Amino acid sequence: GEQVEQLPSSLIVQEGASVLINCSYTDSASVYFPWYKQEPGKRLQFIIDIRSNMERKQTQRLTLLFDKKTKHLSLHITATQPGDSAIYFCSARGSALGRLHFGAGTQLIVIP
Amino acid sequence: DMKVTQMPRYLIKRMGENVLLECGQDMSHETMYWYRQDPGLGLQLIYISYDVDSNSEGDIPKGYRVSRKKREHFSLILDSAKTNQTSVYFCASSLGREVFFGKGTRLTVV
Repeated sequence: GEQVEQLPSSLIVQEGASVLINCSYTDSASVYFPWYKQEPGKRLQFIIDIRSNMERKQTQRLTLLFDKKTKHLSLHITATQPGDSAIYFCSARGSALGRLHFGAGTQLIVIP
Repeated sequence: DMKVTQMPRYLIKRMGENVLLECGQDMSHETMYWYRQDPGLGLQLIYISYDVDSNSEGDIPKGYRVSRKKREHFSLILDSAKTNQTSVYFCASSLGREVFFGKGTRLTVV
């Protein structure tokens, strides 16, 4: 089945810095890649997604890049704020209806 | 306001006891999920339900079963809980690409 790997497992940065979170997947049938943010004790919240027919998507301070050939995604967060502190999850969804597979998550801590 | 509700939020059970985790959604979504979240492992899919009485095993179904008798309600059952089932359990529902998550149930099996 699909395996999603995510690196790094944790990041600590100063406010204002940019961060990069990498994600790779194994199943070439995966076509949709949503990312989620989980603040301590809270539910997962959708933040950005990309489909396999796209290479790049940007929304506010988030840029998501997708390389279908290498099965690799990267999430770039610019001008980080303390409110960005959370666990970020990459996920992949493919031909199996509804199944969403997650990476292990990246814990981001932004120091004021 | 679209919502996925999980009950209870916290639960402590003894090894060997039966556990019932409940999940409800008010969006008439056909597809619902149960995941467990463990540190360093992310979210692992336990079961997926495509509609009433249409359930399918996920990646780690062993030790769990589910029940979906109404579209808006999806239950996760642990018959004879084990200590390695201590985890945070998340329910979710989806319509198309959008997936909505509950707040989670923290289960401790002692």
